[in-house]
Amino acid sequence: GESVGLHLPTLSVQEGDNSIINCAYSNSASDYFIWYKQESGKGPQFIIDIRSNMDKRQGQRVTVLLNKTVKHLSLQIAATQPGDSAVYFCAESNAGGTSYGKLTFGQGTILTVHP
Amino acid sequence: NAGVMQNPRHLVRRRGQEARLRCSPMKGHSHVYWYRQLPEEGLKFMVYLQKENIIDESGMPKERFSAEFPKEGPSILRIQQVVRGDSAAYFCASSPRSAGTGNTEAFFGQGTRLTVV
Repeated sequence: GESVGLHLPTLSVQEGDNSIINCAYSNSASDYFIWYKQESGKGPQFIIDIRSNMDKRQGQRVTVLLNKTVKHLSLQIAATQPGDSAVYFCAESNAGGTSYGKLTFGQGTILTVHP
Repeated sequence: NAGVMQNPRHLVRRRGQEARLRCSPMKGHSHVYWYRQLPEEGLKFMVYLQKENIIDESGMPKERFSAEFPKEGPSILRIQQVVRGDSAAYFCASSPRSAGTGNTEAFFGQGTRLTVV
């Protein structure tokens, strides 16, 4: 079936480096994409989202890039900090505008930031 | 504005017992979603509800699982006759009534960790 997946399950970086987390999706009908951060024992925390009519969106220290041609999504974290260590999930939705809460999640990437 | 509230945070049940998980959405949100997360895995959609209606239950197991979101009170995910395979973290999320307002992302609660012994 259609799914969202991640290329790399783990990523280790040094504090201050930039991090890039990648995600591939297979549902071409998806119109909304989100990155979530999940710390141990907690629920997913919204980081940034992007709609299918955009190819780039920036937030505070984070940038999401969407390449619909190759169905690829990435999350860039600038100046990574130890507090960024967590599992990062991409998620997609194709609810057609009625609601964006029904999401299909990827497997997740474990980001570890070394001081 | 309080976030999505789930309780209990941890729940232990013996095989064959019933588990009831509660979720109070954020204020003003009338869309509720339940997800299950097994260890080392991503979240899997279970069910989508609006007040007094089940909109999409395509991710719910056919037996023993049910969900409701009454007119008053929290949403309830109910698991009857629990088995060890039901052990997981169950997350609830809510989103605003209208997807066109600009704030369309789903906000998650802290989850209920169910352990079946």
